[in-house]
Amino acid sequence: GQQVMQIPQYQHVQEGEDFTTYCNSSTTLSNIQWYKQRPGGHPVFLIQLVKSGEVKKQKRLTFQFGEAKKNSSLHITATQTTDVGTYFCAGRYGNKLVFGAGTILRVKS
Amino acid sequence: EAQVTQNPRYLITVTGKKLTVTCSQNMNHEYMSWYRQDPGLGLRQIYYSMNVEVTDKGDVPEGYKVSRKEKRNFPLILESPSPNQTSLYFCASSLSTGVGQPQHFGDGTRLSIL
Repeated sequence: GQQVMQIPQYQHVQEGEDFTTYCNSSTTLSNIQWYKQRPGGHPVFLIQLVKSGEVKKQKRLTFQFGEAKKNSSLHITATQTTDVGTYFCAGRYGNKLVFGAGTILRVKS
Repeated sequence: EAQVTQNPRYLITVTGKKLTVTCSQNMNHEYMSWYRQDPGLGLRQIYYSMNVEVTDKGDVPEGYKVSRKEKRNFPLILESPSPNQTSLYFCASSLSTGVGQPQHFGDGTRLSIL
């Protein structure tokens, strides 16, 4: 079946450092969504990317969709303690949404 | 308030005892789905439903059943639970599967099967 590989599994950064998580699919995606799950919480939608090569920004977060629509990244500039949580990408294949395994972000203050 | 409501939030039960986890949404969403979350595996889709009376298997449907008799409800049924179904379960809904439709998640149900 379709798979979305996400790396790294864990990232522990010092507050103020940057953070990036990457997602890769073996097949072309219709679109990709990103979610954040705070510890003990549920996933919350952040953004969706649809177009090849698309780049979107939300304050310190930058999302990119690859030219071939097979990979995506989320970059956080100057992390803060409020950024802690698990970040998931989710690729859409027809009517199914396939999630990556997630990247757990810990921020040391 | 727009929301997806799951019940129960926590359940400890024994192998073989049938259980149902309810899910209800008040946003008139067409698309609903169930996921299980396990450490290191992310969220895996169990079943999804495009609309009333339309359901389909996700990636890990074995041991689960669902039904969609009404648009707002999408219960998850474990006919004969086993310990490997111990997990954190999320119900989610979206307006449709079209472009630009985010999934809205419930608060989750933590199931422990002994």
